[in-house]
Amino acid sequence: KQEVTQIPAALSVPEGENLVLNCSFTDSAIYNLQWFRQDPGKGLTSLLLIQSSQREQTSGRLNASLDKSSGRSTLYIAASQPGDSATYLCAVRRVDSNYQLIWGAGTKLIIKP
Amino acid sequence: EAGVAQSPRYKIIEKRQSVAFWCNPISGHATLYWYQQILGQGPKLLIQFQNNGVVDDSQLPKDRFSAERLKGVDSTLKIQPAKLEDSAVYLCASSSRGPTYEQYFGPGTRLTVT
Repeated sequence: KQEVTQIPAALSVPEGENLVLNCSFTDSAIYNLQWFRQDPGKGLTSLLLIQSSQREQTSGRLNASLDKSSGRSTLYIAASQPGDSATYLCAVRRVDSNYQLIWGAGTKLIIKP
Repeated sequence: EAGVAQSPRYKIIEKRQSVAFWCNPISGHATLYWYQQILGQGPKLLIQFQNNGVVDDSQLPKDRFSAERLKGVDSTLKIQPAKLEDSAVYLCASSSRGPTYEQYFGPGTRLTVT
């Protein structure tokens, strides 16, 4: 059974720092992996999607990497800003006819001005 | 392109009452999902529709929850009767077919059961 873990559950860093959020999964047979952002009281916004054949994806100050063999993905945020404060969730997509997402519990990120 | 719409945004009810949530997916998206998200946890899939047929409802508490997607477009999720532990955010998402099956989420409905 696929399990997704995100550590730490919460992280607080000063503005301007580069930071890395971690996601690990137990079964390397995934279709793809997505990173989402969730602001308080709001829905989920997709940040980056990495297909299983890819190693990384970049969007602006965000870079996500994928290492299927070790069951790990990282989300790198460069030059963090207070507006980056949110909960970041990782989800892996199953390789079967339903293509469902298996979710981590998220990392709550606080960027201190 | 309009996103996924949900209503209401907030709902407060007493236990044993009933409540219904509505979702309108992105136009052309065949797959629709309902999730339950409890504070501090990742979303839990309740039901997945493909057009107007149910693909997976294995985690839907069928004694109190029901969902339908008439005509393969809009969907409603109902809880009757509600329990205190149903307090959560209910998220609707939709996706098109491959190659990525990327899901797009609505703003969610925050339900408080007192």
